Amino acid sequence: QVQLQQWGAGLLKPSETLSLTCAVYGGSFSGYYWSWIRQPPGKGLEWIGEINHSGSTNYNPSLKSRVTISVDTSKNQFSLKLSSVTAADTAVYYCARGPYGDYGYYYYYYMDVWGKGTTVTVSS
Amino acid sequence: SSELTQDPAVSVALGQTVRITCQGDSLRSYYASWYQQKPGQAPVLVIYGKNNRPSGIPDRFSGSSSGNTASLTITGAQAEDEADYYCNSRDSSGNLVVFGGGTKLTVL
Repeated sequence: QVQLQQWGAGLLKPSETLSLTCAVYGGSFSGYYWSWIRQPPGKGLEWIGEINHSGSTNYNPSLKSRVTISVDTSKNQFSLKLSSVTAADTAVYYCARGPYGDYGYYYYYYMDVWGKGTTVTVSS
Repeated sequence: SSELTQDPAVSVALGQTVRITCQGDSLRSYYASWYQQKPGQAPVLVIYGKNNRPSGIPDRFSGSSSGNTASLTITGAQAEDEADYYCNSRDSSGNLVVFGGGTKLTVL
């Protein structure tokens, strides 16, 4: 059974860089998108970006200028860096696995395995 | 388009049927997936693809799609179904991932 274990600093000062890592245990790294998602207190889910096993990335346009997602396939890990954080970046950050494909006439995408989440607080 | 629209809140009487909807242009080419999130917990996938349930998800959860609208139906809602529900897909270009704003389900 695939599990995602995530870790990283939970308290940052404004202007610092958020850094989180997600390790994949018990499954293949290839054939999926690997995403980062965040949830500010009391708000909904926001997709940050994704990477696949070959290192191809897609980012939320609203965060693209500050986000870098990278992958280390030798360790089955992928990482998130978010630069110049502010209080607005305070949130629970999740990593997730995203299977995708098509039935020939319709596409599918979903996130079937999630990390437990890391609470990140930005405060001076 | 990269937006998915959900009603903010829905309520259902215990044991009754409730439908939660999600609208967006990308749903004309992508199946929506649905997630249940309870307070303090990570989201849990409940429906994916045409109408598939992961192992362990009760069969009272089902999904459907028509045009630009996807629906999550709970047939015989239970008290433990009270939660926030989010829909998700990729956008029409396939390059971005989008979430709906979430629907808070109250079981009365």
